[in-house]
Amino acid sequence: ETGVTQTPRHLVMGMTNKKSLKCEQHLGHNAMYWYKQSAKKPLELMFVYSLEERVENNSVPSRFSPECPNSSHLFLHLHTLQPEDSALYLCASSLAPGAGDHEQFFGPGTRLTVL
Amino acid sequence: SQQGEEDPQALSIQEGENATMNCSYKTSINNLQWYRQNSGRGLVHLILIRSNEREKHSGRLRVTLDTSKKSSSLLITASRAADTASYFCATADNTDKLIFGTGTRLQVFP
Repeated sequence: ETGVTQTPRHLVMGMTNKKSLKCEQHLGHNAMYWYKQSAKKPLELMFVYSLEERVENNSVPSRFSPECPNSSHLFLHLHTLQPEDSALYLCASSLAPGAGDHEQFFGPGTRLTVL
Repeated sequence: SQQGEEDPQALSIQEGENATMNCSYKTSINNLQWYRQNSGRGLVHLILIRSNEREKHSGRLRVTLDTSKKSSSLLITASRAADTASYFCATADNTDKLIFGTGTRLQVFP
């Protein structure tokens, strides 16, 4: 494992439910990311947090709401999702803001199914 | 728009053979990174090559970068069944973003 954990690993929810995905990194990193991975599509960057401030919102619908209470934790709050939101949601972290010079460490992902 | 694009989309080889995957991109980069993903799991960083580097090695991995052609290749030598995975290139500029390609699915048969 890479030091980035995600819970739950699997989640099935109805379109009217509210749920949250959790990510925790134990690497002392200052930047955290949410990605969406759908079948046969490139990994899509959703949000970037740098030193607990959101620095990137990649045109993500408001039914996805991120929260970064501290540099070790990142949440993705979900509400009124659509079936097309079913995907693998990956969290990642990197040492410092500016992935330009640093690798990203990924968690194992949460497989989300929206019924 | 999509930055990295891997070729081939899928590759099947026998154990012991070499596997070569290519990546093309569109804009200027700070560095290019290769990642590996086992089925349904998170990505694992393999190697980072900076824009001023042409070749880099790590164990059985060899990465080349040609900025004039905006392309990179990943060579896995003496492949093993455990190398079976999807491989992604990702390009980075000076921001916090990595832009990933669609990946190459590698199958290594014992």
